[in-house]
Amino acid sequence: EIVLTQSPGTLSLSPGERATLSCRASQTVSSNYLAWYQQTPGQAPRLLIYGATFRATGIPDRFSGSGSGTDFTLTISRLEPEDFAVYYCQQYGRSFTFGPGTRVDIK
Amino acid sequence: EAQLVESGGAVVQPGGSLRLSCAASGFAFDEYTMQWVRQTPEKRLEWVSLISWDAANTNYVDSVRGRFTISRDNVKNSLFLQMDSLTTEDTALYYCARVGNFGHYFDLWGRGTLVTVSS
Repeated sequence: EIVLTQSPGTLSLSPGERATLSCRASQTVSSNYLAWYQQTPGQAPRLLIYGATFRATGIPDRFSGSGSGTDFTLTISRLEPEDFAVYYCQQYGRSFTFGPGTRVDIK
Repeated sequence: EAQLVESGGAVVQPGGSLRLSCAASGFAFDEYTMQWVRQTPEKRLEWVSLISWDAANTNYVDSVRGRFTISRDNVKNSLFLQMDSLTTEDTALYYCARVGNFGHYFDLWGRGTLVTVSS
């Protein structure tokens, strides 16, 4: 099983700041089959990024994904109030596993 | 607008059974692989099961294989999860999710239905 580790566990930032979230895999994620999701309280996860770098339909361009192999990053260029949430990475190269999440809090 | 709506969650005793349903609308349900994903009380997400568009292929996470059965009705645009021999470890919010066009990520989620296994 590919285990995903996300860091940091919590990120405390102010609106307008840049957020950098990390997702590390225990093995190479084939074909960069790595997705990112955002979850706000009481809501289902929402797809942000798939294939490590491709924004899903309707996702603002302040969200970007990068990385390959075992190290992936989600960057939010300028935090908006609605971006304070929990973010999960997921690999779908070999079965399907999720990371434990990174919470982005208002500082 | 594409939408998924789950139902069937309840409080059930260990060893009991439950059947979850997911009603799809606003998209061509019979063209998509569908999955169940659950979120534990600790907020951990876990893939549970998938079924191909034609139901020819199914798969399960090891912890539920042999106890859960996924199925679908493409005429009624519905997805199901029959859950037997439930344990406390199955307590979670169960989401129905649609697989994306370019890989097995989940591009559409329902709001979930809560399953609580407790004596």
